[in-house]
Amino acid sequence: NAGVTQTPKFRVLKTGQSMTLLCAQDMNHEYMYWYRQDPGMGLRLIHYSVGEGTTAKGEVPDGYNVSRLKKQNFLLGLESAAPSQTSVYFCASSLFSGNGGSNEQFFGPGTRLTVL
Amino acid sequence: AQKITQTQPGMFVQEKEAVTLDCTYDTSDPSYGLFWYKQPSSGEMIFLIYQGSYDQQNATEGRYSLNFQKARKSANLVISASQLGDSAMYFCAMDRRGNSGYSTLTFGKGTMLLVSP
Repeated sequence: NAGVTQTPKFRVLKTGQSMTLLCAQDMNHEYMYWYRQDPGMGLRLIHYSVGEGTTAKGEVPDGYNVSRLKKQNFLLGLESAAPSQTSVYFCASSLFSGNGGSNEQFFGPGTRLTVL
Repeated sequence: AQKITQTQPGMFVQEKEAVTLDCTYDTSDPSYGLFWYKQPSSGEMIFLIYQGSYDQQNATEGRYSLNFQKARKSANLVISASQLGDSAMYFCAMDRRGNSGYSTLTFGKGTMLLVSP
């Protein structure tokens, strides 16, 4: 099992350019998440999905869009990149095991994005 | 709103000693989970340990234990017998459980642990 993979690993964009980050998981997890990590800020939730075809906003959704057309894939899009979106982006997935379970989230390796 | 506070930006410990990383949380949810993740310099997020709000006993995973004090809303991570490979950033996180069965995580800002020989 590859677990959670992210494409690309690194990317440099110019202000105003668009791009899509791809997250794929092979664990048949229902739930998927996109976070961003900035220095001194910890991880903050951008968007998440509770199943194929459904998405919801997290803590910092502005400037991003997402799609979950297939259960194993979760795409994060930047329509018009801004320098404030320079960050490390993490994708995660989980299999909800009920209120008695850990609901552990499994993370991808991250994508380092720089917007000039 | 949920909030996780890690008051120690950095901690130093000598190899083979024990260290406690502090985490306090704030939530009005009756059911929640508390997590600790490790992020080494390579950048990946590694799950360490989990504690459910209704668990009667403190969680343990090898050299890691979670000192859960519900009344104080604290969930400190204890690492026994520190190793050089424990040098990393450590994040405390809490989940919020939605009605449809999902959970989302709120992270603290992290504590950088450095283990010296």
